[in-house]
Amino acid sequence: IAGITQAPTSQILAAGRRMTLRCTQDMRHNAMYWYRQDLGLGLRLIHYSNTAGTTGKGEVPDGYSVSRANTDDFPLTLASAVPSQTSVYFCASSVEAGNTEAFFGQGTRLTVV
Amino acid sequence: GQQVMQIPQYQHVQEGEDFTTYCNSSTTLSNIQWYKQRPGGHPVFLIQLVKSGEVKKQKRLTFQFGEAKKNSSLHITATQTTDVGTYFCAGRTQGGSEKLVFGKGTKLTVNP
Repeated sequence: IAGITQAPTSQILAAGRRMTLRCTQDMRHNAMYWYRQDLGLGLRLIHYSNTAGTTGKGEVPDGYSVSRANTDDFPLTLASAVPSQTSVYFCASSVEAGNTEAFFGQGTRLTVV
Repeated sequence: GQQVMQIPQYQHVQEGEDFTTYCNSSTTLSNIQWYKQRPGGHPVFLIQLVKSGEVKKQKRLTFQFGEAKKNSSLHITATQTTDVGTYFCAGRTQGGSEKLVFGKGTKLTVNP
């Protein structure tokens, strides 16, 4: 069982380019999340999905979009990358939203130049 | 919006010393979770507290949830070098959205 998988592991991206970070889980979890982690700022929620077909905005949603077409996949898209989006991105999932253990992927290190 | 404050931001101890990190919320929480992130790794779930005044132990780690369900603490007794990492609390607002909001974390370093 893979658990939760993110791709790519790392990426260097030119500013202005479009990029999709992939996240897949095989645990049949209802809830999925995207966080960004920056030094001194901890984990900040970008977008979340409590169940397939629904999404919601977190603390820092601007410049990002998500979709949840099915239970397993929760891609995060940067429509036009900017240097301030340089960060480590973590995808996570949990059986239910907010009150059960969250499982994190290995992270994607994104550098926008 | 919901805020979860965590202190201290950094803590440096000698091996064998105790360590405590504190988490405070501006609103009442329905639960609090604690995670550990090793350097270069991803956050890993440690525990969840749900009841007012709840105390749970995992070997040398003691977790507490305040009576008002607005604060929590993680205490490590006699730290070891394997305890190195960043400890995060995460809370969900009572009666609010299902979002899990993380504190900024406490980075623990341990001198052997």
